[in-house]
Amino acid sequence: DTAVSQTPKYLVTQMGNDKSIKCEQNLGHDTMYWYKQDSKKFLKIMFSYNNKELIINETVPNRFSPKSPDKAHLNLHINSLELGDSAVYFCASSQSSGVHEQYFGPGTRLTVT
Amino acid sequence: AQSVTQLGSHVSVSEGALVLLRCNYSSSVPPYLFWYVQYPNQGLQLLLKYTTGATLVKGINGFEAEFKKSETSFHLTKPSAHMSDAAEYFCAVSDPGGTSYGKLTFGQGTILTVHP
Repeated sequence: DTAVSQTPKYLVTQMGNDKSIKCEQNLGHDTMYWYKQDSKKFLKIMFSYNNKELIINETVPNRFSPKSPDKAHLNLHINSLELGDSAVYFCASSQSSGVHEQYFGPGTRLTVT
Repeated sequence: AQSVTQLGSHVSVSEGALVLLRCNYSSSVPPYLFWYVQYPNQGLQLLLKYTTGATLVKGINGFEAEFKKSETSFHLTKPSAHMSDAAEYFCAVSDPGGTSYGKLTFGQGTILTVHP
């Protein structure tokens, strides 16, 4: 059973398009995150949701809009895609209590042409 | 603000040799510390973590790390490298305080190469 899953795994699209990435976790966690890994492999947090409420928003362009329909899902919608959005996007989840040990999904490689 | 520095973007060892990956952090409070491993085209897998208590922590695949507060370090070691250890390794910190909500700050990663 996959703990944190993401779809799609690869996404190739043109500049200006709108796309979504979906994330689901079956670990019973109440907190979910989106991270961006750039071409130099640097990882940076973008958003975090706790019980469907946005709790971290790290100076991300407002073209990026996360949505959490329930505790087990966190989707990322990106409007007007730009070349600089090309990256690998990772979803993660954790419990909100204790150490917040995070479990990561396999990633979605977004390529904007 | 927290920050993490991993010394050496590439480390190369022979199979059977000691692995040492360095991580130093900056934090205003004693942080939680993590090491993650990323194999090619995969997500991140937690190797080990330090929260409180014993400063030498053991993780999966024979890895361990020691928290040294005086040196603000959390170096990752493995006594004997195996070919399957070849991957990229990330050190990360989080603030135990309630306002951080588990936000992880990552180092820039260290690529470990193991040659026969």
